[in-house]
Amino acid sequence: GAVVSQHPSWVICKSGTSVKIECRSLDFQATTMFWYRQFPKQSLMLMATSNEGSKATYEQGVEKDKFLINHASLTLSTLTVTSAHPEDSSFYICSAPESPTSGQETQYFGPGTRLLVL
Amino acid sequence: AQKVTQAQTEISVVEKEDVTLDCVYETRDTTYYLFWYKQPPSGELVFLIRRNSFDEQNEISGRYSWNFQKSTSSFNFTITASQVVDSAVYFCARITGANNLFFGTGTRLTVIP
Repeated sequence: GAVVSQHPSWVICKSGTSVKIECRSLDFQATTMFWYRQFPKQSLMLMATSNEGSKATYEQGVEKDKFLINHASLTLSTLTVTSAHPEDSSFYICSAPESPTSGQETQYFGPGTRLLVL
Repeated sequence: AQKVTQAQTEISVVEKEDVTLDCVYETRDTTYYLFWYKQPPSGELVFLIRRNSFDEQNEISGRYSWNFQKSTSSFNFTITASQVVDSAVYFCARITGANNLFFGTGTRLTVIP
């Protein structure tokens, strides 16, 4: 299957700092990528849809000024958590559909990034 | 509302037992896709299966099998002869109209040696 990478896998930061997480599709192009958040022992919840060449679309309740998304190329999307606070501590995971047309294809997930804000 | 329900929060079985994980979905769409993913303790999501609504054939892949029943809106997952490495959280999910995945709440499976 397709491979999606994420970097970093772990990050610990102080409250008030910004953290950037990268999501890359390694062997395919992705015009769309999705960012999910998972709190401990909970399910994955969609935060936003990252669109190459246009603005991201955010789910209700997700602050777009706090979670900045940039889809710089067909293989890279970045999520920046600005002015992180302890309540932002979570597991962030991205996904990308294998086909560049972003239809109902199987989505492949990155390995996730665990963020701990002290 | 279009939901995915995994009523079993946690299941424990002894190694070599069979176990079935339930998934019930709601959708207004005539065409839809359902998925199962495995999330081991390391956190990554491992794709297991994708099923479209037109294909009601049950599928078997090694020790894994899936029973898709449109009449009851269920897409259940059975692991035969469970192994310790099967211990993980399993998520059932469906594709939304925006092409992202909507996940059920997950079932944590523990296989006891």
